[in-house]
Amino acid sequence: DGGITQSPKYLFRKEGQNVTLSCEQNLNHDAMYWYRQDPGQGLRLIYYSQIVNDFQKGDIAEGYSVSREKKESFPLTVTSAQKNPTAFYLCASSIGSGSRYTEAFFGQGTRLTVV
Amino acid sequence: DAKTTQPPSMDCAEGRAANLPCNHSTISGNEYVYWYRQIHSQGPQYIIHGLKNNETNEMASLIITEDRKSSTLILPHATLRDTAVYYCIVRAVNTNAGKSTFGDGTTLTVKP
Repeated sequence: DGGITQSPKYLFRKEGQNVTLSCEQNLNHDAMYWYRQDPGQGLRLIYYSQIVNDFQKGDIAEGYSVSREKKESFPLTVTSAQKNPTAFYLCASSIGSGSRYTEAFFGQGTRLTVV
Repeated sequence: DAKTTQPPSMDCAEGRAANLPCNHSTISGNEYVYWYRQIHSQGPQYIIHGLKNNETNEMASLIITEDRKSSTLILPHATLRDTAVYYCIVRAVNTNAGKSTFGDGTTLTVKP
C-alpha cells in the first residue's frame, strides 16, 4: 500500500539530547513537509523540501534541522536548541506545486515528550 | 494564502447533516478552497476541494457562495466517527499543497 510512514509513534527523550524523527513515503512525491502541532492548536510548518538535496525553512525552523538525501525520506532532527520540543510532529508529502488537484498526504504523527 | 475564519466548535446529532461554515472574504481568483479533517492523534486527511462550483464526493459536499467569500462543508449523515477537527484552507493553484496554513479549525462533536 502506498502511504507515508512516521516512526516511532511515541518518543521520549531527556532534555538536552538531540532526537531524529523518521518520515518515509512510497508515493513518489517530490515535496515533503514537517509540521509541529501543540495541544488545541493548528499545524505550524517547520521545514519543507520540494526536491532531493534541497529544503527551505518554514515558519518555526529554529531549533530543528532536516535532510533530504533520498526522495523517499525526510528526517527531522529536534536539537537541544529547541526551547520547547514537546509536541506532536506531523510529516506530509505532495506531488509538488503547479496543480490544483494535489493534496497533502499526512503520516500518523510522532508524539515527542522531552523530560 | 487567504486567511480563513471558522467557528471553534460545533455539535451535531448522529444521523443528521453537519454543516461546517468557513469565511474566506479575502480569497483571490486563483485560490481554491480545501477541507481537511484531523481525528484525534492522527494526521489530517483530505476531504474535498473546489474553486467556485459546488462539489460532492463520497465523503462530503462543498458549497461555495457565488461571491466565493464563504463556503460550507456538509457531511450529509454524520456518524460518531466524524468527530474530528475540520480545517478550511484556501490555496493558490501554483503553491505546494503542504505549505497551506492550517489554523485552529472547527472541532465537530457528533453526539448519539
